[in-house]
Amino acid sequence: SYELTQPPSVSVSPGQTARITCSADALTKQYVYWYQQKPGQAPVLVIYKDSERPSGIPERFSGSSSGTTVTLTISGVQAEDEADYYCQSADSSGTFYVFGTGTKVTVL
Amino acid sequence: EVQLVESGGGLVKPGGSLRLSCAASGFTFNNAWMTWVRQAPGKGLEWVGRIKSKTDGGTIDYVAPVKGRFIISRDDSKNTLYLQMNSLRSEDTAVYYCATLGDSSADWGQGTLVTVSS
Repeated sequence: SYELTQPPSVSVSPGQTARITCSADALTKQYVYWYQQKPGQAPVLVIYKDSERPSGIPERFSGSSSGTTVTLTISGVQAEDEADYYCQSADSSGTFYVFGTGTKVTVL
Repeated sequence: EVQLVESGGGLVKPGGSLRLSCAASGFTFNNAWMTWVRQAPGKGLEWVGRIKSKTDGGTIDYVAPVKGRFIISRDDSKNTLYLQMNSLRSEDTAVYYCATLGDSSADWGQGTLVTVSS
């Protein structure tokens, strides 16, 4: 089955840059989406189609892709960015979706 | 404003059944591909399955662990999505979310908790 692997945790000081990677075990040519989830809340989309930002999402959130690894970058991290982040994509046919293992971002 | 409201969660014994509902409003439901996602306590998100719109064929796909036990359906006349869960196991304990995972947007309900325990 298709898998997406993320680091379990990332720690960053306020104002610094956090980078969260999402590594696929195969190149599927499917887009990657990123979700932010705070405790007790539903996930919120922060990046779609690898690098596009939905309206209302701060410019400090950006996405990039290289080979089988995609990266979510949070520039100038703020305390409110402390949350779990999940990448999401699909298998090569686009039929079965999969979420990454999740990364907890801690703002020191 | 898009609203997705799940209901039907609760405590059920192993081997039992439960049907979840997701009432949708604020968008054209019959055109939407609808998805169920679950999250076990303290764990990550897991895609459960998706039903396409009838105009796109109405195809339904499931993640392997629930295939043959769970059934996703929709009633476009009621703007409602369903998840029929049979032969429930302890590992099915989770918050279940309905969602629209579109190309450029996503909306989620607040989830409903399903606990499978004797």
